Amino acid sequence: GQQVMQIPQYQHVQEGEDFTTYCNSSTTLSNIQWYKQRPGGHPVFLIQLVKSGEVKKQKRLTFQFGEAKKNSSLHITATQTTDVGTYFCAGPDSNYQLIWGAGTKLIIKP
Amino acid sequence: DVKVTQSSRYLVKRTGEKVFLECVQDMDHENMFWYRQDPGLGLRLIYFSYDVKMKEKGDIPEGYSVSREKKERFSLILESASTNQTSMYLCASRTTGSSQPQHFGDGTRLSIL
Repeated sequence: GQQVMQIPQYQHVQEGEDFTTYCNSSTTLSNIQWYKQRPGGHPVFLIQLVKSGEVKKQKRLTFQFGEAKKNSSLHITATQTTDVGTYFCAGPDSNYQLIWGAGTKLIIKP
Repeated sequence: DVKVTQSSRYLVKRTGEKVFLECVQDMDHENMFWYRQDPGLGLRLIYFSYDVKMKEKGDIPEGYSVSREKKERFSLILESASTNQTSMYLCASRTTGSSQPQHFGDGTRLSIL
């Protein structure tokens, strides 16, 4: 069946370093959504990408949707402690329900 | 802001018990979802509903059922709880349209002993 793979599972960074998570779908997506889940919290919607090659920015966060609409990435510049959490990508399947990546956990080294 | 409320934050039940997890949303959303979240597996869809009294199986419906008698309420039922159903359960809602964002409750951490 349709799958959304997300890597890495964990990323340890020093505060101030950059962070990137990658999503790859087994099929072409009509759109892709990104969510953030803080420790002990629930997923919160960040953004949606729809167009091939689309790039969107939210302050230090940059989201990209691949030309083939099968992959996406989230890049955080100069991480801060408030960025800690797990970042998920999700794309709709043939029944219009979201298929979720496994998430990338961002850990800031002390 | 959308408010999705799950009835319990933590729940401990015994094997074989019938377990009810309740979810209420206050934004008149048509679509509601139940997921379970396990480490390294992301969110897996158990059931969803796109209207009152309507329900559809998700990817892992075995051992679960749901009820949606009113638009704002979506219940998840574990017919006979088993230890492999120990997990975090998340309820979500959204308005019509697959591109619309989902809004989540705080989750119920369910332990089956």
